[in-house]
Amino acid sequence: AQSVTQLDSQVPVFEEAPVELRCNYSSSVSVYLFWYVQYPNQGLQLLLKYLSGSTLVKGINGFEAEFNKSQTSFHLRKPSVHISDTAEYFCAVTPDPSGTYKYIFGTGTRLKVLA
Amino acid sequence: KAGVTQTPRYLIKTRGQQVTLSCSPISGHRSVSWYQQTPGQGLQFLFEYFSETQRNKGNFPGRFSGRQFSNSRSEMNVSTLELGDSALYLCASSLAPSGGQETQYFGPGTRLLVL
Repeated sequence: AQSVTQLDSQVPVFEEAPVELRCNYSSSVSVYLFWYVQYPNQGLQLLLKYLSGSTLVKGINGFEAEFNKSQTSFHLRKPSVHISDTAEYFCAVTPDPSGTYKYIFGTGTRLKVLA
Repeated sequence: KAGVTQTPRYLIKTRGQQVTLSCSPISGHRSVSWYQQTPGQGLQFLFEYFSETQRNKGNFPGRFSGRQFSNSRSEMNVSTLELGDSALYLCASSLAPSGGQETQYFGPGTRLLVL
């Protein structure tokens, strides 16, 4: 079985400060990992994804994430946040394509950027 | 290219009624997935359709059903509505069946309120 844990439900941070949103997963098979962002009254938008290769993944809007297999983590980071980054962020995992497809999402982290 | 569209955007129903939600994927996308998003349960996978066939189904009762048409548009139906069905229903499309490699593009969702 797989699960995704987002350790923080809310993260307040001042504008221009760095931020890290944490995501841990558990799985018995190889996985693909994703971060999505949801702005108010909108659907989800893909920020970045890890499929294979380099463990440091760069995404849109200056976000990046690092896949750490030994710690089963995929934390999202941004060195300097903007007010416009205020949104809810979801970590997600899918199994290897040879397995049964199903996206599993974490419960989300609300990022609140303060002026 | 137009994004994923969902209709209606908002819906109010009473217990016991049924509802049909519609999703038009991005042109050329043949895979459509549906998710239920609630504050308590987060994002939960309902089902995925590809080429008019259901590929995977989440852990929802049989009151939740869906279908996909030859033009890839998809509908989901919820019969005998319950208060707990109040949620944001999100549709996502991708070029091919999602299994990790494919990016899912989400629509803005249909917000359903059951009274």
